[in-house]
Amino acid sequence: DQQVKQNSPSLSVQEGRISILNCDYTNSMFDYFLWYKKYPAEGPTFLISISSIKDKNEDGRFTVFLNKSAKHLSLHIVPSQPGDSAVYFCAALWAGNTPLVFGKGTRLSVIA
Amino acid sequence: DAGITQSPRHKVTETGTPVTLRCHQTENHRYMYWYRQDPGHGLRLIHYSYGVKDTDKGEVSDGYSVSRSKTEDFLLTLESATSSQTSVYFCAISHGQGDQPQHFGDGTRLSIL
Repeated sequence: DQQVKQNSPSLSVQEGRISILNCDYTNSMFDYFLWYKKYPAEGPTFLISISSIKDKNEDGRFTVFLNKSAKHLSLHIVPSQPGDSAVYFCAALWAGNTPLVFGKGTRLSVIA
Repeated sequence: DAGITQSPRHKVTETGTPVTLRCHQTENHRYMYWYRQDPGHGLRLIHYSYGVKDTDKGEVSDGYSVSRSKTEDFLLTLESATSSQTSVYFCAISHGQGDQPQHFGDGTRLSIL
């Protein structure tokens, strides 16, 4: 049973507009949530994270929102740029040094 | 970039042959991980290590074994490769503290014919 779900396999957005990537989870014991970005032929790179005790974390153009009651988080990219075109993975973990649990990813295409 | 090197970067081999993938880190991180990435499945954990000689299974460990004899090296072995193990394999490392993120290598593309 998938504990972290990214239900949209792909998303297409125009340059300059907002990109919203969604992620749902089933385990209320997760302590942290992370987003990774992956370009073809490269390894995933860490983008931004949020603790379960917060509801928002912002880093430049990237903001992650967490709604614990809905077990839902989202990544907002504003403004979207062509270089943001990549696969984005949502991941979660329990404190205590356990491995990350990943979603299946969403492919974002930013169209110029 | 985190000091992670995966070797080889590409490999083609035949069904039934043994294959070993190597992950080498220069960051002295305690935790090391092996994932595979397949279309429609995202990243799935194969095995991980939380110290020298300390390893544990992940979600898709069948058909794989690992070894970690020193901090910097984590080996993934396919004892008898099968076509279903054709995939891209990623190694990752982390401190393993709080939300310290894992850092990934650039992957090994393995094709088993």
